[in-house]
Amino acid sequence: DSGVTQTPKHLITATGQRVTLRCSPRSGDLSVYWYQQSLDQGLQFLIQYYNGEERAKGNILERFSAQQFPDLHSELNLSSLELGDSALYFCASSVESRGREAFFGQGTRLTVV
Amino acid sequence: AQKITQTQPGMFVQEKEAVTLDCTYDTSDPSYGLFWYKQPSSGEMIFLIYQGSYDQQNATEGRYSLNFQKARKSANLVISASQLGDSAMYFCAMRGGFDIPNTGNQFYFGTGTSLTVIP
Repeated sequence: DSGVTQTPKHLITATGQRVTLRCSPRSGDLSVYWYQQSLDQGLQFLIQYYNGEERAKGNILERFSAQQFPDLHSELNLSSLELGDSALYFCASSVESRGREAFFGQGTRLTVV
Repeated sequence: AQKITQTQPGMFVQEKEAVTLDCTYDTSDPSYGLFWYKQPSSGEMIFLIYQGSYDQQNATEGRYSLNFQKARKSANLVISASQLGDSAMYFCAMRGGFDIPNTGNQFYFGTGTSLTVIP
C-alpha cells in the first residue's frame, strides 16, 4: 500500500459527460501529481500542485482542470468527455516539490462509452 | 528537454536468472533523480529503486540494483534471482530541476519494458 488513495477505482461514463477524480496524498506529502496513461500515449504528465498552488503543467487539455484543497487532497475534473479520454489516471504524491520519491495511487480507470 | 528511452519493448527471463532492463536518459539538469517503477497487470505503479545524479554508489534495494553510468547517461535496472511475480511492465523515470526553487519537477517516463518470467 503506497498510502496514496484514489477514488473511484473504476468509472464508466458517456461522451459529453463530466467526472471528478479524487486523490488523497500520503500523510505529510505536500506535492500532488496527475498522470494519464493510455495505450497509445504512455504515461503523460498532466499537472502538479504543491501545497495548494499549481507548480507545473504538462499536456493537460483545456477540458481538464485540477485543484488541491487546504487539506491537500486533490481533484481532477474532466469535462466534455470524448472516447479518447479513456485511460488510467494516476495520482502521485511526494513529501516536497523536490523530494526524491513519489508514490503512486492505484489509479482510476476511466472508460468513456 | 528531458527524455527517457527504453529500447526493449519485451523481455523474457528464466525463473531464478538475472535480467537487465535498459534505460537511457537525456537531460541538461545538473541535479536529477532516476527511478524505476513496476506496473503489474493490476495497474498500480510500485516504486522499486532510486538513484540520485550525485550519488557515488549504485543504488540497491533487495533483488533490485541500478547500474548507473552517468557519462553514458544510462540507468539500467538489474533484477537478480527472477521470480514469477516479477512479470510486469517496468518503467524508467527521471525527475530534474532539484536545484531550481519553486519549480515543478514532474516525472518523465519511458515507454516501458514488459518482463515475462518463465517457469
